[in-house]
Amino acid sequence: EAGVVQSPRYKIIEKKQPVAFWCNPISGHNTLYWYLQNLGQGPELLIRYENEEAVDDSQLPKDRFSAERLKGVDSTLKIQPAELGDSAVYLCASSSGVGEAFFGQGTRLTVV
Amino acid sequence: DAKTTQPPSMDCAEGRAANLPCNHSTISGNEYVYWYRQIHSQGPQYIIHGLKNNETNEMASLIITEDRKSSTLILPHATLRDTAVYYCIVRASTTGANSKLTFGKGITLSVRP
Repeated sequence: EAGVVQSPRYKIIEKKQPVAFWCNPISGHNTLYWYLQNLGQGPELLIRYENEEAVDDSQLPKDRFSAERLKGVDSTLKIQPAELGDSAVYLCASSSGVGEAFFGQGTRLTVV
Repeated sequence: DAKTTQPPSMDCAEGRAANLPCNHSTISGNEYVYWYRQIHSQGPQYIIHGLKNNETNEMASLIITEDRKSSTLILPHATLRDTAVYYCIVRASTTGANSKLTFGKGITLSVRP
């Protein structure tokens, strides 16, 4: 069974540029999460989807971050414009309801 | 905020048991204890979870105290590949905001040869 797939694996952009991350969850998983992980810290939840509905986006900085999950499968997380402080690892995870969550390898973003 | 407290780091010798402690004194009756680990440059990996009873799987054992205020993750025969950050998380069993995984800083386990 394929795991959670994220792309790209690494991304380097200049500040003020837009960037997008893509996530393909495990087949059949209706719950999808985006987490942000700063160096030396645990992952922090940005947004959680149940199918195509964002049920928890309280930690998503909505002035520059947006996310979508069309048709309740793949998801995209976008930052526009990126700032230096956005440099981090962005993790996607999926689960079947409240079962254990499976994480992708993450996208390491560097903003210069 | 994370509802668990873990020491920042510990080490153990390869081949020996690694016992990772976690305090969760404010845990509610419907909250499970979950353990994840994160090996360098990878996403977190699920290990085990439990409610009241001790649990064991192919990766580890989870011992939960009778009052449920603390637990211990046991890796019976640690190997160098077990070097990672281990996160103890309490999580509600039902859907809703409390079912999300809230990570703390975790405990860094270093397995020495």
